[in-house]
Amino acid sequence: AQRVTQPEKLLSVFKGAPVELKCNYSYSGSPELFWYVQYSRQRLQLLLRHISRESIKGFTADLNKGETSFHLKKPFAQEEDSAMYYCALNIIQGAQKLVFGQGTRLTINP
Amino acid sequence: GAVVSQHPSWVICKSGTSVKIECRSLDFQATTMFWYRQFPKQSLMLMATSNEGSKATYEQGVEKDKFLINHASLTLSTLTVTSAHPEDSSFYICSATGLAYEQYFGPGTRLTVT
Repeated sequence: AQRVTQPEKLLSVFKGAPVELKCNYSYSGSPELFWYVQYSRQRLQLLLRHISRESIKGFTADLNKGETSFHLKKPFAQEEDSAMYYCALNIIQGAQKLVFGQGTRLTINP
Repeated sequence: GAVVSQHPSWVICKSGTSVKIECRSLDFQATTMFWYRQFPKQSLMLMATSNEGSKATYEQGVEKDKFLINHASLTLSTLTVTSAHPEDSSFYICSATGLAYEQYFGPGTRLTVT
């Protein structure tokens, strides 16, 4: 069955330190993965998608099919990165839909 | 960018009454809209997918008769929680897709049933 796992509910790092938010998935089809971010009191918004292979706000994520992972990384964390991060898998089951991980709350300490 | 609104942003109702939540795509035509439910400190759980002019597709375990979804136009979908009970209290979030399949999310509606 399709599943997205984010093993860390909470992650706390100091400003300037590297950040890695883990995401693993389970899907029999060709995976399409996304990272969404939710800042305090704001709506969920797309941060990046694996097909774009782009860096947004200094974040990157590489799809590793061998390890079925799509970890989100940033070399130097900033305080404004504090937010809730969700990894999501786009699946096709009749129609397209997103399956979300449990989310990781990232806190950047000054 | 694409904007999705929800109304109301929060609502309190008495047990046994029905509540309607609106989801609108403000600057694009939404071929598909999704309704999610989010419990405190938990992830988003997809409830149903609706396409304009057709019946919604509900996820397993979601009661169709309790959560009525109508997608009457390309810019509006409504979720009606019928005969609400305290266990229906939750955060309800909608999202919409246009021609591309990227989902744009609404700000959510907090429902409290007393």
